[in-house]
Amino acid sequence: GDSVTQMEGPVTLSEEAFLTINCTYTATGYPSLFWYVQYPGEGLQLLLKATKADDKGSNKGFEATYRKETTSFHLEKGSVQVSDSAVYFCACNNAGGTSYGKLTFGQGTILTVHP
Amino acid sequence: DAGVIQSPRHEVTEMGQEVTLRCKPISGHDYLFWYRQTMMRGLELLIYFNNNVPIDDSGMPEDRFSAKMPNASFSTLKIQPSEPRDSAVYFCASSFSVGGGRNEQFFGPGTRLTVL
Repeated sequence: GDSVTQMEGPVTLSEEAFLTINCTYTATGYPSLFWYVQYPGEGLQLLLKATKADDKGSNKGFEATYRKETTSFHLEKGSVQVSDSAVYFCACNNAGGTSYGKLTFGQGTILTVHP
Repeated sequence: DAGVIQSPRHEVTEMGQEVTLRCKPISGHDYLFWYRQTMMRGLELLIYFNNNVPIDDSGMPEDRFSAKMPNASFSTLKIQPSEPRDSAVYFCASSFSVGGGRNEQFFGPGTRLTVL
């Protein structure tokens, strides 16, 4: 079945540092890829998505590019803020076969940004 | 739209009691998902529905757990009897299938369940 592997956390950065959180996936067909963010005490929110190879998703200064050749969807931000402290989840949605409509999530990466 | 609505937001109960969690998906969405989140196991998919029909319940931990979706705007997750190891945050999410199943899921705020 499909699987998503995220960079082990937690990640601790100083404000204005560069962020990369690695994500690789295993899936048949042509999945869509997502990054979700979960702030303390809240549900998951979609941060960005990409639906086909070489697409770049972006939102709130975060970016991720769908790389089919390396089966990756790494999350990046050039300058993090304290308010970016949260848990980040990578996910894939394989529209084919019996998993139609179902998201497969990575284990989540805790990000803490210090002033 | 108000988003996915879950109730209650917090539930504290004693071992052996029945617990019912409720979810109202976003209007027009035809998929509904129930997840459980704990520190030890992370985010787990319990069950999901399409057009009110259960599609995959392989994540339901045991027979004490059951879920229903009597109509397009309401779903319940029931635990009977509850046990301390069921303590977790339970999320409901919904999505719309138009677009070839590539659409994102929208999550509710969750129900924090504590079983004493």
